[in-house]
Amino acid sequence: NAGVTQTPKFRVLKTGQSMTLLCAQDMNHEYMYWYRQDPGMGLRLIHYSVGEGTTAKGEVPDGYNVSRLKKQNFLLGLESAAPSQTSVYFCASSTSTGLAGRLYEQYFGPGTRLTVT
Amino acid sequence: DAKTTQPTSMDCAEGRAANLPCNHSTISGNEYVYWYRQIHSQGPQYIIHGLKNNETNEMASLIITEDRKSSTLILPHATLRDTAVYYCIVSPRSTSGTYKYIFGTGTRLKVLA
Repeated sequence: NAGVTQTPKFRVLKTGQSMTLLCAQDMNHEYMYWYRQDPGMGLRLIHYSVGEGTTAKGEVPDGYNVSRLKKQNFLLGLESAAPSQTSVYFCASSTSTGLAGRLYEQYFGPGTRLTVT
Repeated sequence: DAKTTQPTSMDCAEGRAANLPCNHSTISGNEYVYWYRQIHSQGPQYIIHGLKNNETNEMASLIITEDRKSSTLILPHATLRDTAVYYCIVSPRSTSGTYKYIFGTGTRLKVLA
């Protein structure tokens, strides 16, 4: 049981390039989230998904797109990377099944460190 | 913006209790207090949460004042592995299942040997 995994761990992009960050979870969780964390700051929510095929905007969605084609995967895309998107990206998941009412407990991945030059 | 105020940093001797305060003076009646921690740039980890009663689990205790405007997370016997950034988050209990947490800058706790 690997929990939440993120690919890649590190990436350097040039301005204008595109890339996709992959988040995978093997816990059969319904809910998935993408956050970014800038140096010295807390996490900010980018997008989230409450189930396969559904996504919604979070606090800072501009410049990002997401897809949830499979329940276990949540993809974060940058179509045209900008230096302002240099950050550490965290994926998280949570579930409504099992222990009742534990959707508040989000399980986080190890993060992807992205640098845009 | 985060609805909470926490000290930037704190030190605690190993084996002693670590008491981490959090102010949330504008908390609403339906909002809970959640605590997460982030160890050395790893993803955050859930610790505990509460509404108005004190709570305890295997990791920590949470003391919420009667007026609910502040709370304290207590790690009863801090170890070096408890060195981390601790986040206090105020959020309503979600009826839709979605928890859109707002993480502030947290308190950097350093446990000293």
